Amino acid sequence: EADIYQTPRYLVIGTGKKITLECSQTMGHDKMYWYQQDPGMELHLIHYSYGVNSTEKGDLSSESTVSRIRTEHFPLTLESARPSHTSQYLCASSESVGKGSGANVLTFGAGSRLTVL
Amino acid sequence: SQQGEEDPQALSIQEGENATMNCSYKTSINNLQWYRQNSGRGLVHLILIRSNEREKHSGRLRVTLDTSKKSSSLLITASRAADTASYFCATDDVQGAQKLVFGQGTRLTINP
Repeated sequence: EADIYQTPRYLVIGTGKKITLECSQTMGHDKMYWYQQDPGMELHLIHYSYGVNSTEKGDLSSESTVSRIRTEHFPLTLESARPSHTSQYLCASSESVGKGSGANVLTFGAGSRLTVL
Repeated sequence: SQQGEEDPQALSIQEGENATMNCSYKTSINNLQWYRQNSGRGLVHLILIRSNEREKHSGRLRVTLDTSKKSSSLLITASRAADTASYFCATDDVQGAQKLVFGQGTRLTINP
């Protein structure tokens, strides 16, 4: 059973609407991430967080914003959705594995598929 | 540009055969990981290999890493229909170790 939850799984909305994609994890992980993925394509990191009150932009420019007020939650918000925002959004969290190298093994949610008409 | 590039982009084999996927990357890394994604779902971590390791096994999975060529391979032996999925390699480079960069993935289809 997944320990990281994303809601909604599917969302179809009209242009100009404000939407928030929710992401919650019960593992106590400090690091959380949002990736954007078009069908059959690679993942692009759009936001990440090292902990509460920490947010950073990823490698792919995004008009979305994120917040990290609590360790468990990392919601993503689009103030005014456009058709170009249509995509799958994947949330993930991680803890470092082992000493020294600090490997980050990610646990992913099931994804939120957004369609903007 | 993306750190990892995977080859082939798509692979279709018969059940019981072995499947090999390759990943190349550009910068020095601490670790390389392989993930699996079923259609329309999130990714699931399969195996991690550190930069000082050359080979690692987990069940039917065998991963190799050649840091001199900046490449890795994932071998799935005795494939099953349930192995049908997309497989991604991911690297965290020595400078940006907190972030994982994913390759474009190999779409594997196992035919019964």
